Amino acid sequence: EAEVAQSPRYKITEKSQAVAFWCDPISGHATLYWYRQILGQGPELLVQFQDESVVDDSQLPKDRFSAERLKGVDSTLKIQPAELGDSAMYLCASSLESGTGGRNEQFFGPGTRLTVL
Amino acid sequence: AQRVTQPEKLLSVFKGAPVELKCNYSYSGSPELFWYVQYSRQRLQLLLRHISRESIKGFTADLNKGETSFHLKKPFAQEEDSAMYYCALRFASGTYKYIFGTGTRLKVLA
Repeated sequence: EAEVAQSPRYKITEKSQAVAFWCDPISGHATLYWYRQILGQGPELLVQFQDESVVDDSQLPKDRFSAERLKGVDSTLKIQPAELGDSAMYLCASSLESGTGGRNEQFFGPGTRLTVL
Repeated sequence: AQRVTQPEKLLSVFKGAPVELKCNYSYSGSPELFWYVQYSRQRLQLLLRHISRESIKGFTADLNKGETSFHLKKPFAQEEDSAMYYCALRFASGTYKYIFGTGTRLKVLA
């Protein structure tokens, strides 16, 4: 069964360093989401792609975070420089499409747990 | 502003007892509500959505627009139901967006 892949699974870094996370969605899924989940909270949407275009990045801290999905397939989320408050689980999800109906079901990856020291 | 509230961080019930996980939302339009579940060491996954009006693993959830609630219910809890449950609201704002609640951990005791 096809799954969303993410790497690395765990990342420990020092503040002010740069970090990058990678996500490979399920093949054929046009919509890709990056979420941040702080311990004890629910996932918070950071950025949403439709194919290679960003359709929502209203919650992305753009002074330090960037995301790209150059060929409309896999995606990279980068943080530079990392801050202590960035410690969280970073989840990637994908769906066939983003409209109404069953084709919008999100499938989540295992996440990348980031610890900033 | 849109909001999803799950008032209980932890809910413990005995096996065979009824379960109700509460979810309230704030949204002025027509909402789409979902329940997601995360079992230990597994990925977050969709459990059910209100438009399907179906029962999954014995769980049901009814959208009550008057009370702005979407509580998750199961008449007889099983140990394998122990997991983290998240309620989510999907709404249109330019594109379709999701807001998740803070989650409720369900522990089913033997």
